[in-house]
Amino acid sequence: EAGVAQSPRYKIIEKRQSVAFWCNPISGHATLYWYQQILGQGPKLLIQFQNNGVVDDSQLPKDRFSAERLKGVDSTLKIQPAKLEDSAVYLCASSLLGRGGMDYGYTFGSGTRLTVV
Amino acid sequence: DAKTTQPPSMDCAEGRAANLPCNHSTISGNEYVYWYRQIHSQGPQYIIHGLKNNETNEMASLIITEDRKSSTLILPHATLRDTAVYYCIVRGGGSNYKLTFGKGTLLTVNP
Repeated sequence: EAGVAQSPRYKIIEKRQSVAFWCNPISGHATLYWYQQILGQGPKLLIQFQNNGVVDDSQLPKDRFSAERLKGVDSTLKIQPAKLEDSAVYLCASSLLGRGGMDYGYTFGSGTRLTVV
Repeated sequence: DAKTTQPPSMDCAEGRAANLPCNHSTISGNEYVYWYRQIHSQGPQYIIHGLKNNETNEMASLIITEDRKSSTLILPHATLRDTAVYYCIVRGGGSNYKLTFGKGTLLTVNP
């Protein structure tokens, strides 16, 4: 099966500019996640979607970050305006809960590396 | 979700077994132990998970102590490609429970 697709792979912007990242999860995966990974740290969850509804966005800086998953399939994450501390890798993941509650784990994309200068 | 404690780094010789420990003393009865790894410049990769029984798949084995307060991930024959950061995560079952990553263990497999 195809994996989680993310684009772009790399992005360099100046502070105060805006940027958007795109994610296409594995077909049939209802749950989609956006993580932020700063260099040297583990990934931090920003937002979790179940179909097109938000399950958890408690760690999303809502003054500058927004995300949507309008048709319950692909998703976009936007930053406006960007700050220097937003430099990180942004990872998208999706998951499937199978029959009987069998959990097959998350599948992550390769991420988008954002550099804010 | 319960927190986990892992050593920041470990070394292993190629071809030998790599045993990565994880402490999760505050785990509750319905929480699973998950292991992921992240190879440089890639997204994390699911390895294995378990509740209370030992588990094995094509990648690794997971040994969970009887009191469930600690576990060990075993890579039976480590290769250079197993060099990565390994994350031990405790979370509830089902897809609506989020994964919370710590700093993990950097495993370096040496030739």
